[in-house]
Amino acid sequence: DAKTTQPNSMESNEEEPVHLPCNHSTISGTDYIHWYRQLPSQGPEYVIHGLTSNVNNRMASLAIAEDRKSSTLILHRATLRDAAVYYCILRPRNFGNEKLTFGTGTRLTIIP
Amino acid sequence: KAGVTQTPRYLIKTRGQQVTLSCSPISGHRSVSWYQQTPGQGLQFLFEYFSETQRNKGNFPGRFSGRQFSNSRSEMNVSTLELGDSALYLCASSRDSQNYGYTFGSGTRLTVV
Repeated sequence: DAKTTQPNSMESNEEEPVHLPCNHSTISGTDYIHWYRQLPSQGPEYVIHGLTSNVNNRMASLAIAEDRKSSTLILHRATLRDAAVYYCILRPRNFGNEKLTFGTGTRLTIIP
Repeated sequence: KAGVTQTPRYLIKTRGQQVTLSCSPISGHRSVSWYQQTPGQGLQFLFEYFSETQRNKGNFPGRFSGRQFSNSRSEMNVSTLELGDSALYLCASSRDSQNYGYTFGSGTRLTVV
């Protein structure tokens, strides 16, 4: 399975943008890039996903490098509720291999 | 719409016993996956079911098993419980396409004493 690499932790001030990086140098051409986050005492929550183009939704934006070997999750204006562990995951295309391989993720701390 | 429902939320069992956990996916989602989360190992994939068939399995011993019913509801069973099985067990459902995200339940917290 293709692997992702993320910083263990990051801090950001409240109401400022946050850029969470992810490296996935062994990504295959058909892997989708998914981001999830996990708040304390909850299951992971889907944030956003993309294939090649940058993506925006109400929660965040996803910027994907042209060579697809890295991506960045952007929280435009961090709030205290965004404090969580963020996971960058590659979802393979081939059916029958439907599993998410979680790394250790990035623990995001928001400073009031 | 209703999310993924896992029951029970908390469970305490004794070593050697067996346990069954239940998961009701989002309506219309036919893929159901199970994950184990522990402080030491993080989130690890157990297995995935689609249309009552196990499509993929993680690296767990045979004591861990599961099944899926025709209404897509799923159960997982752990037999001969060990202390190391204490964990948060998470269920996730999805449409059968990589162009959709997974929706996770809140999990079942299993404690083996």
